[in-house]
Amino acid sequence: GESVGLHLPTLSVQEGDNSIINCAYSNSASDYFIWYKQESGKGPQFIIDIRSNMDKRQGQRVTVLLNKTVKHLSLQIAATQPGDSAVYFCAEMGSGGSQGNLIFGKGTKLSVKP
Amino acid sequence: NAGVTQTPKFQVLKTGQSMTLQCAQDMNHEYMSWYRQDPGMGLRLIHYSVGAGITDQGEVPNGYNVSRSTTEDFPLRLLSAAPSQTSVYFCASSYRTIPGTPNTGELFFGEGSRLTVL
Repeated sequence: GESVGLHLPTLSVQEGDNSIINCAYSNSASDYFIWYKQESGKGPQFIIDIRSNMDKRQGQRVTVLLNKTVKHLSLQIAATQPGDSAVYFCAEMGSGGSQGNLIFGKGTKLSVKP
Repeated sequence: NAGVTQTPKFQVLKTGQSMTLQCAQDMNHEYMSWYRQDPGMGLRLIHYSVGAGITDQGEVPNGYNVSRSTTEDFPLRLLSAAPSQTSVYFCASSYRTIPGTPNTGELFFGEGSRLTVL
């Protein structure tokens, strides 16, 4: 079956460094990808999204890169701060799909050392 | 702004008991859904609704019922709780995706309801 996965379950970075969180997807028909952040004891929060007709999209301190050739998605966080400590989920949606077809990965825990 | 409100935040049940997890949103979102989150499993969709009077099953619907009588509310019912239903439950809402227009995956989540079934 189709799946969304992560290369690293945990990531520890020093405050001020850049963080890169990776995600692999296997459904070549997926055309929309999203990153969510979940802080301890809270619900996930939308960070940034990207459609399959783009390779890169930037937000405030975050950049999402999409490599359709190898079915790989990454989230880059610049100048990582303690407040960035959380679990990060990637999710994918197929063409013509709805939110009911959103498939979440298992998550990567990011720990920021002061 | 209240956003998505879930109650209760914590609940302990005995096997076989029934209960309802409440979810309400004040953003006039058409789409609402319930997920469960288990360690190492990510978020799995239980049931969802694209509007009042319409519900559909997600990935793991067994043991759960839902209804959508109003746009604002989307309760999740456990008719006979089992230990396998011990989990953290999240309700989420968003604007409905319209066929032919770009999808949006921006779900607004509640704070979660932690359920333990003994």
